[in-house]
Amino acid sequence: EVQLVQSGAEVKKPGESLKISCKGSGYSFTDYWIGWVRQMPGKGLEWMGIIYPGDSDTRYSPSFQGQVTISADKSISTAYVQWSSLKASDTAMYYCARHRIGGVIGDPFDIWGQGTMVTVSS
Amino acid sequence: DIQMTQSPSSLSASVGDRVTITCRASQGIANYLAWYQQKPGKVPKLLIYAASILQSGVPSRFSGSGSGTDFTLTISSLQPEDVATYYCQKYNSAPGTFGQGTKVEIK
Repeated sequence: EVQLVQSGAEVKKPGESLKISCKGSGYSFTDYWIGWVRQMPGKGLEWMGIIYPGDSDTRYSPSFQGQVTISADKSISTAYVQWSSLKASDTAMYYCARHRIGGVIGDPFDIWGQGTMVTVSS
Repeated sequence: DIQMTQSPSSLSASVGDRVTITCRASQGIANYLAWYQQKPGKVPKLLIYAASILQSGVPSRFSGSGSGTDFTLTISSLQPEDVATYYCQKYNSAPGTFGQGTKVEIK
């Protein structure tokens, strides 16, 4: 079964760093773009960026460029998004999701992780 | 960047009604348009890609159409289990911007 399993919920203070993960299984992890999507409480979906684990080619939304870092470790089939200094406005559910077709950058997300809730509060 | 605008933001319809949601791109995106369904408290689910192709397992009452800048998602006969927020997404190039969502409720 193809699945993405994300790390658990996090509660952090402003200014702290954080790295959350998304582990793929049931398919060739290096062959599919994986993306990250933010959903703030009660709000819509926001496309943050995508990474191709095969060569770590990464694309960011201008809204998230410089705010987060997306990475992947293909040896353990895991993608990450990290923050160096969290803000209260980073409080949100974060989803990872896989492109439908291998190797295609222009593609929708067909497999989604269960989501990781990040709460940033002093 | 290309902006995606959905309308309406919300709607209320009766079971069995035909429901239409529109999505407009600020520039042409050919047919690189997907629709997702997100039920309350759940993970988004891909319904339609390439503007009109139904993802495997999606009920046939869902359909999509359009090309270029104007797209529609139609539910031919609304069912109680269709209560959800629906999002369009353009994916021709990064960023893969989502529309702001349309919340569908039962009257």
